[in-house]
Amino acid sequence: DAGVIQSPRHEVTEMGQEVTLRCKPISGHNSLFWYRQTMMRGLELLIYFNNNVPIDDSGMPEDRFSAKMPNASFSTLKIQPSEPRDSAVYFCASSPQGSQPQHFGDGTRLSIL
Amino acid sequence: GQQVMQIPQYQHVQEGEDFTTYCNSSTTLSNIQWYKQRPGGHPVFLIQLVKSGEVKKQKRLTFQFGEAKKNSSLHITATQTTDVGTYFCAGRASGGSYIPTFGRGTSLIVHP
Repeated sequence: DAGVIQSPRHEVTEMGQEVTLRCKPISGHNSLFWYRQTMMRGLELLIYFNNNVPIDDSGMPEDRFSAKMPNASFSTLKIQPSEPRDSAVYFCASSPQGSQPQHFGDGTRLSIL
Repeated sequence: GQQVMQIPQYQHVQEGEDFTTYCNSSTTLSNIQWYKQRPGGHPVFLIQLVKSGEVKKQKRLTFQFGEAKKNSSLHITATQTTDVGTYFCAGRASGGSYIPTFGRGTSLIVHP
């Protein structure tokens, strides 16, 4: 079975540029999560969708970050404009329901120069 | 809000030694999940505990859920180099948020 698929795997861009991260959850999973992982702050939940609807976006750092889930098989996390402090590994995860075990994608390693 | 704390942050052991990481919540939990993240990898689900005092084993790994459902532990017997990684607990608060809150994780380094 295909797991959670994220793209790109790596992204290097200059500050000020727009960055779009993509995620395809496991088919049939109703919950989708975006996380950011850094050495300093650990694994932070950015936003949680249930049935394509954003339920909790309290972890989104600021207005430069936005996330969408136009359908059950696709989600994006956008940063505009990007800053060096946004450099991190961004994970997407999905689960059958919010409280159930999560399946993580391989992550996108983002570097903002 | 709910906080989930893990200790220690790092643990160095010699291969063959035992290892334990502890997870403590500020609130009572309805369940707790454990994940392992290998260096350069992504978190992978290991197990979920639901019942007060529950103990589950996976080969050399033993997971416990406290009687008060506010703490949990993961114990590895006779560590191997393949055990290297960061172990996360994620607890879901009773009557609170529907989704689990992750701890900061414990990074295990095994020296051959």
